[in-house]
Order: sequence, then C-alpha cells, then structure tokens
Amino acid sequence: NAGVTQTPKFQVLKTGQSMTLQCAQDMNHEYMSWYRQDPGMGLRLIHYSVGAGITDQGEVPNGYNVSRSTTEDFPLRLLSAAPSQTSVYFCASSYSRAGVGEQYFGPGTRLTVT
Amino acid sequence: RKEVEQDPGPFNVPEGATVAFNCTYSNSASQSFFWYRQDCRKEPKLLMSVYSSGNEDGRFTAQLNRASQYISLLIRDSKLSDSATYLCVVLTGANNLFFGTGTRLTVIP
Repeated sequence: NAGVTQTPKFQVLKTGQSMTLQCAQDMNHEYMSWYRQDPGMGLRLIHYSVGAGITDQGEVPNGYNVSRSTTEDFPLRLLSAAPSQTSVYFCASSYSRAGVGEQYFGPGTRLTVT
Repeated sequence: RKEVEQDPGPFNVPEGATVAFNCTYSNSASQSFFWYRQDCRKEPKLLMSVYSSGNEDGRFTAQLNRASQYISLLIRDSKLSDSATYLCVVLTGANNLFFGTGTRLTVIP
C-alpha cells in the first residue's frame, strides 16, 4: 500500500492565484482530513470528511474548499491564495471517525505564497 | 488558553538516558490521548495511544493523569534514532483533535 499520498511536494504561488492540493489514500479509510502546520502552532484542522460526499469545516476553513467524490481522494482547493496561507499542509486519514485519533499522514505539501 | 500545552524544549540528552515529557490539556471532557512523533520536515506518525491505566511499548511508557489533566511520555535507554519532535494530541468530542506544538528531543552520542 502507498498509504496517503500528496502532490505536489512544494509549490510557490502568487497572491490571488488558485490551486488544488491533491490527496489520495489506498487504505479504504472513511475519514480524511486536511491540516496546516505553522511554526509555533500545533497542527490545525482545515476541513474533514467522514465519507464520500460528506465534508465539514474544521478550525480554520476560510479560504479553502474541499470535495470528496470518492473514498480515495480528498483534494483541497485554495480559492485565492494569500501570504497568510504560507504553510505546510498535511492530509491524513483514519479508518473511521471513531478512530480519528489514530491517523495516517501524507508527506505534506510546502506552500509559499508571495 | 491553548487546548494542549507542551514544553517546546529542546531536550538534549545523552544516549542511554531516560527522558520524560509532559503535556497538559485544558478540557476536562477530553476522552482520548495520543503521542505522535514527527521527524524534521516529515509527517507526524502515531507513536502510541495513551490509556487510562497507562501503557508501555518497549522503551516508551505513556501515562494519563485525569485529575491533573496531564499526559506524560517516558523514553528509557534513549537512542540516536529517538531524536524527533513529540506531539501530544488530545481528542475532545467526536471530532475535535487538538495537537500540541511539540517537544523537540535530541539524543547526543
């Protein structure tokens, strides 16, 4: 199993540009989530999904959209990039919502917005 | 007040030493607790869950003190490969997973 994969690994955007961060998992996990990690702060939840077709907001959802059309894929879309969105983004999955504390993380995407 | 607080360190210890990290959480209704490990510029990985009665996994021991609202991680016989940042993670409610900022450990030869 590849586990959780993310693309791209690195990205530089200009303010106002949009882009989609890709995330896929091959473990048939129901629960998927997106986090951002900033220096001096813990990982913060952006959006999550408990299954195909179901998404919800986390702690810091503004400026981001998600969709979950299949169990495997959970892309994160930045609508209009801002310098405050410079961060490392991690996608994660767990078998179910009940097991949300035991998550598998992807390798991350380092995003810089200039 | 932060949901989860950890001493950021760094903790620099010699090989073979025993080191302990503490983490405090603010919500007494929190129900599940975990330690994750994160290597430099890598993703977090689950190290162990923390059970009410305490639990051990090889050289690692996790303890939970609900009365004082803190979790601890003890590492015995430290190895160079233990050098990493250790994240304390607390689950409150159905979906509210809170991550601490992490404690950095460096094991010195």
